[in-house]
Amino acid sequence: AQSVAQPEDQVNVAEGNPLTVKCTYSVSGNPYLFWYVQYPNRGLQFLLKYITGDNLVKGSYGFEAEFNKSQTSFHLKKPSALVSDSALYFCAVRRDTGFQKLVFGTGTRLLVSP
Amino acid sequence: SAVISQKPSRDICQRGTSLTIQCQVDSQVTMMFWYRQQPGQSLTLIATANQGSEATYESGFVIDKFPISRPNLTFSTLTVSNMSPEDSSIYLCSVGTSRYEQFFGPGTRLTVL
Repeated sequence: AQSVAQPEDQVNVAEGNPLTVKCTYSVSGNPYLFWYVQYPNRGLQFLLKYITGDNLVKGSYGFEAEFNKSQTSFHLKKPSALVSDSALYFCAVRRDTGFQKLVFGTGTRLLVSP
Repeated sequence: SAVISQKPSRDICQRGTSLTIQCQVDSQVTMMFWYRQQPGQSLTLIATANQGSEATYESGFVIDKFPISRPNLTFSTLTVSNMSPEDSSIYLCSVGTSRYEQFFGPGTRLTVL
C-alpha cells in the first residue's frame, strides 16, 4: 500500500529566504508524486507533479520539487519565500498503474514571516 | 485543468438530518472522487463516483451513510446521511482530467450540531 510522510507539522521561514517542505513516500512500483497547497477556507490547488523524466520538477508560483528515488523523497522547494506562500501544503502519491487513487500526507503548515 | 464548483460552500446542520452536496465540472471527465478532510487532518478518499453504476467505496465508508450519484460526466452528488457531530468536515469533490492529474473543488464545510 502507498503511504506518504510529511515529518514537519510546521515550517517557519523568513520572507526572502529559501524554503523546503519535506516529503517521503512508500509505494510499490513507480510513483506518481504531487504537491498541493490549501489556503484558508479554500480547496486544494495543484502545484506540481512528478511522473517521469527530469528529477527536478518546476510548478506554479515559483515552486519546484526534487524527486530522489534512492531516498524515496519528493521535497518541495522555493528559492525565495513570500508571505503569501503561507498555507497548508500536502504531498500525495499514487501508483503508476490502476485508477487515480491519491494517498495524502498529513500536511505541513508553512508560515512565512515578514 | 477543470473548473469545479460545489454547493453549498458551507452549512450547519442538526444531528440526525442529511445533507446533499453537489459537484459540477465545466467539462466531461471520466473520474470523479469524493474526499473528506476532518478538522486538522489530511484528506481521505470516501469513494469514486462512477457514471452509470454504483460508486466504489473505500474501506470504512458505506453507501448507506454516504450515498453518491453520478448521472452524467459533469455532475455528482454526495449525501451525508443521519449526521452526527463526527461528520463535521470539509468534503471535497475531485476530478481526474488525465491519467496523471487530479483537481479539487473548493470544498463544502459541514458543521453538525
